[in-house]
Amino acid sequence: SQQGEEDPQALSIQEGENATMNCSYKTSINNLQWYRQNSGRGLVHLILIRSNEREKHSGRLRVTLDTSKKSSSLLITASRAADTASYFCATTGANSKLTFGKGITLSVRP
Amino acid sequence: GAGVSQSPSNKVTEKGKDVELRCDPISGHTALYWYRQSLGQGLEFLIYFQGNSAPDKSGLPSDRFSAERTGGSVSTLTIQRTQQEDSAVYLCASSSARVANTEAFFGQGTRLTVV
Repeated sequence: SQQGEEDPQALSIQEGENATMNCSYKTSINNLQWYRQNSGRGLVHLILIRSNEREKHSGRLRVTLDTSKKSSSLLITASRAADTASYFCATTGANSKLTFGKGITLSVRP
Repeated sequence: GAGVSQSPSNKVTEKGKDVELRCDPISGHTALYWYRQSLGQGLEFLIYFQGNSAPDKSGLPSDRFSAERTGGSVSTLTIQRTQQEDSAVYLCASSSARVANTEAFFGQGTRLTVV
């Protein structure tokens, strides 16, 4: 079963705008990760936030984690057409099993 | 190798045939995952290995699916008597579970088409 649930399912924005994607999960976690997928093939890791962290930055990416609400958000600032992809959140529990949500399709219009 | 390698990259098989999908994880990675992704869908968890043992097989869809990992390295996912609904991209990932809070690295997947 899916642990993470992303929303929205699809997002379309104009180049230069910010994109915000949300993820909610159900059980306790060790960390939460965001991945990107182009063309339905291998996923690329973007950023990992530990359960004792609240915010993390990497370039144009900003991730927040609220363990009390069991939710996370991924913000991509100043989006580019090349950011068009599917984005997935994934959680790791105590047994190191990595469980993914259903993903968000982001389209950035030039 | 430098990354997770999966073979074959594409496989077309006739309904009822058996197929074997191979995953070579990054050297030294103890955790290995198999996922299945149908067109436009999310990643469906299949099985997870820690070393040679599989603490979680809960995602295998039926007894036609099996997986093994030998020597703590290469893993093979076998699908017997393939059905059309088995058509999907099968993704493998590995991570260094000895290091807490580490990312998973994915292969490029095997696209399986059952005709």
